[in-house]
Amino acid sequence: QLVLTQSPSASASLGASVKLTCTLSSGHNNYAVAWYQQQPEKGPRYLMKLNSDGSHNKGDGIPDRFSGSSSGAERYLIISSLQSEDEADYYCQTWGTGIWVFGGGTKLTVL
Amino acid sequence: EVQLVESGGGLAEPGRSLRLSCTAVGFTLVDYAMSWVRQAPGMRLEWVGFIRSKAYGATTEYAASVKGRFTISRDDSKSIAYLQMNSLKTEDTAVYFCARTVDADYVAFWGQGTLVTVSS
Repeated sequence: QLVLTQSPSASASLGASVKLTCTLSSGHNNYAVAWYQQQPEKGPRYLMKLNSDGSHNKGDGIPDRFSGSSSGAERYLIISSLQSEDEADYYCQTWGTGIWVFGGGTKLTVL
Repeated sequence: EVQLVESGGGLAEPGRSLRLSCTAVGFTLVDYAMSWVRQAPGMRLEWVGFIRSKAYGATTEYAASVKGRFTISRDDSKSIAYLQMNSLKTEDTAVYFCARTVDADYVAFWGQGTLVTVSS
């Protein structure tokens, strides 16, 4: 069964870096994921598609501070030089034949 | 400027129907698969379903939670995608987002969402 697991919360200081993790279920190590940001009281925004080899395609206007990497079943979203507006929920999503799956989301707090 | 404008949300009683519309502005709808994603209050994003582009037969896929009750369709001549929701349940209460997808795999552009409340 295709499942994505995310930690419910993370925190980091203003100006620091943070690495958010999205873990694919067993047997799905080669799946790509998409990352989305949802700021409070707003709709989601596409950040990037992240492939199993770590290559990624970012959405229009996404700052260079946002990047991604992959290792095995783990898909990472890395945010550097954290800003207050980065405080948001971050979701990963993947897809199979005729099905999409979202992770539970990580709430990022910028201290 | 690319926009997706959802409409049709509101209050419905359990067992009743609602139809949501998603109007595409600034791009040609015919070229894209379109998806619907919902978010219950305080909960995660949940995929509802998608419709492939006409080039791929405009075929549809649905989440198990809505299959048989919800239907996605499209009218490319009007640049509108629809979500017909029948036999509504209280657990269908959510903000519904229309989304433009890449190859029916993931979302590259989201609408602003429309709230559907199912309650007696």
